[in-house]
Amino acid sequence: ETGVTQTPRHLVMGMTNKKSLKCEQHLGHNAMYWYKQSAKKPLELMFVYNFKEQTENNSVPSRFSPECPNSSHLFLHLHTLQPEDSALYLCASRQDRQNTGELFFGEGSRLTVL
Amino acid sequence: DQQVKQNSPSLSVQEGRISILNCDYTNSMFDYFLWYKKYPAEGPTFLISISSIKDKNEDGRFTVFLNKSAKHLSLHIVPSQPGDSAVYFCAASADNRKLIWGLGTSLAVNP
Repeated sequence: ETGVTQTPRHLVMGMTNKKSLKCEQHLGHNAMYWYKQSAKKPLELMFVYNFKEQTENNSVPSRFSPECPNSSHLFLHLHTLQPEDSALYLCASRQDRQNTGELFFGEGSRLTVL
Repeated sequence: DQQVKQNSPSLSVQEGRISILNCDYTNSMFDYFLWYKKYPAEGPTFLISISSIKDKNEDGRFTVFLNKSAKHLSLHIVPSQPGDSAVYFCAASADNRKLIWGLGTSLAVNP
């Protein structure tokens, strides 16, 4: 059983839909991350939250809106996405945002935008 | 421009032999390197790391070698087992900044 769980595992949505991805970590970590993995591209960091505060936003379009209500939960709200946003979205957590610590990943949410 | 390159998309080895996965980087400021393993339908899991002050780190069957002058690191798996079949990602960071990832190498270990 992974310490980081993501739901849903698969999501198909139209360009006008609004949906959300959810991530929950049971590891007592303070930092949470959203990554995007597209075909033939490296993992791209999207957002970083540390102690519920957003500490990094890597020029992500506003159609992606993160929310971190507490250190254990992270959401990614999706609105008017484009087909090129289809990808695997991975959530990860770490003890703190010190980058020498191990990142623990969830299993990912596979998103398809029609 | 990719700062972390894994030039071999795939690698196939026989069970019991050595697997060598390679990673090259361009940023000389990188001071911390990690390898992650990913099975299908699962998230990446941490495998082994190395700091730039070392040139070798070993953990069981897994050894990572770092050659700073060549900006090259490699992951050795000895002996390789069928359960090692997965995609292996190399990642690097500079001064505790965000991790930069390679594209991954798909390893197949044949029985």
